[in-house]
Amino acid sequence: GEDVEQSLFLSVREGDSSVINCTYTDSSSTYLYWYKQEPGAGLQLLTYIFSNMDMKQDQRLTVLLNKKDKHLSLRIADTQTGDSAIYFCAESTSSGGYNKLIFGAGTRLAVHP
Amino acid sequence: EPEVTQTPSHQVTQMGQEVILRCVPISNHLYFYWYRQILGQKVEFLVSFYNNEISEKSEIFDDQFSVERPDGSNFTLKIRSTKLEDSAMYFCASSQWAERESYEQYFGPGTRLTVT
Repeated sequence: GEDVEQSLFLSVREGDSSVINCTYTDSSSTYLYWYKQEPGAGLQLLTYIFSNMDMKQDQRLTVLLNKKDKHLSLRIADTQTGDSAIYFCAESTSSGGYNKLIFGAGTRLAVHP
Repeated sequence: EPEVTQTPSHQVTQMGQEVILRCVPISNHLYFYWYRQILGQKVEFLVSFYNNEISEKSEIFDDQFSVERPDGSNFTLKIRSTKLEDSAMYFCASSQWAERESYEQYFGPGTRLTVT
């Protein structure tokens, strides 16, 4: 069945780059997403990538997709303390416009001075 | 910026009681969803809703659950007889059908349901 796996914890120093990794199983996934969840808050859509792309860059965020290995990564350049949050990878498949998101367990990013 | 809103932020109820969780999706969105996140676990899909009917539901979404869009703005999730294991954060989401951007789901802040 569909499954998304992520490492649970990442600690980085402020100013360094963070790389959060994710693997997924459903090869028919059309979109892959990164969501951010800050304490007590909902899920904020950060970025997404369509499955026919290899890379997408959006300011400090770079998403890399390796379809062959079913591997997705999110790189945050110049990580700041405000980036401390849980980051969720999610995949979706679409059938007739209806889709559901399958989430990973989330990676807790801790940024320290 | 438009956002999905949910009420209440926290609901405490006794086992066996009915609860209704409310959501106001983004106004021009056509697809609506409920997800839940049990503490310490993954966010799980419950149900998707389009054109006033359920388009897909998970095995979690049994006969105790129902969804409704009672008017042009609200989208509700009802749990008929709550169980302890229904305690979770419930997220509402919506998305807009558009040629290329249709699959971005925007989430509300969640309702924390505690069943005692």
